[in-house]
Amino acid sequence: AQSVSQHNHHVILSEAASLELGCNYSYGGTVNLFWYVQYPGQHLQLLLKYFSGDPLVKGIKGFEAEFIKSKFSFNLRKPSVQWSDTAEYFCAVNAGGFNKFYFGSGTKLNVKP
Amino acid sequence: SAVISQKPSRDICQRGTSLTIQCQVDSQVTMMFWYRQQPGQSLTLIATANQGSEATYESGFVIDKFPISRPNLTFSTLTVSNMSPEDSSIYLCSVASGLAGFYEQYFGPGTRLTVT
Repeated sequence: AQSVSQHNHHVILSEAASLELGCNYSYGGTVNLFWYVQYPGQHLQLLLKYFSGDPLVKGIKGFEAEFIKSKFSFNLRKPSVQWSDTAEYFCAVNAGGFNKFYFGSGTKLNVKP
Repeated sequence: SAVISQKPSRDICQRGTSLTIQCQVDSQVTMMFWYRQQPGQSLTLIATANQGSEATYESGFVIDKFPISRPNLTFSTLTVSNMSPEDSSIYLCSVASGLAGFYEQYFGPGTRLTVT
């Protein structure tokens, strides 16, 4: 069975700090990769996605993620966080083009103003 | 993208009763999913509900406890039967759209269930 690991469960940063959230997955074949964000009191929203091509993908609100196939990783980054980035972030994997998505355990980001 | 609504948004239920959650999508989709998100935890897939076929349940979830209906391409229901406090959770409906092999998944706002 596939698994998705997010190693940072809770991250606290000050505004303007840089962010990197780790995501690793276990699947040897072709994968589609996603980051979702859940702002307080809101539903899950797609932040960015990787299907193929350039391994560095850019999403909404200044977020980007890099797919490193050799490391089975898809880390999320943002150069300078804002208070409004306070949310929970979930990494997800869709493997082999099948319709199942596997989610990591989530990382709660708290940005202090 | 797809816009998904769920009813009810929250409910408080007594042990032993059942609750049916409705999921409505603004466009026709083949694949719908039901997830559970327990406090402080990630999303756990309960079942996949494709129109025209029986729902497929994940390990640990059974049809008697979580019966699902999928009468058409825009609607599904999940029933949580004979509830216990352990069923307290957020239940999420989602849909997958896109070309085969390039699916994106969109989520509803969730139903927050508390069982007393």
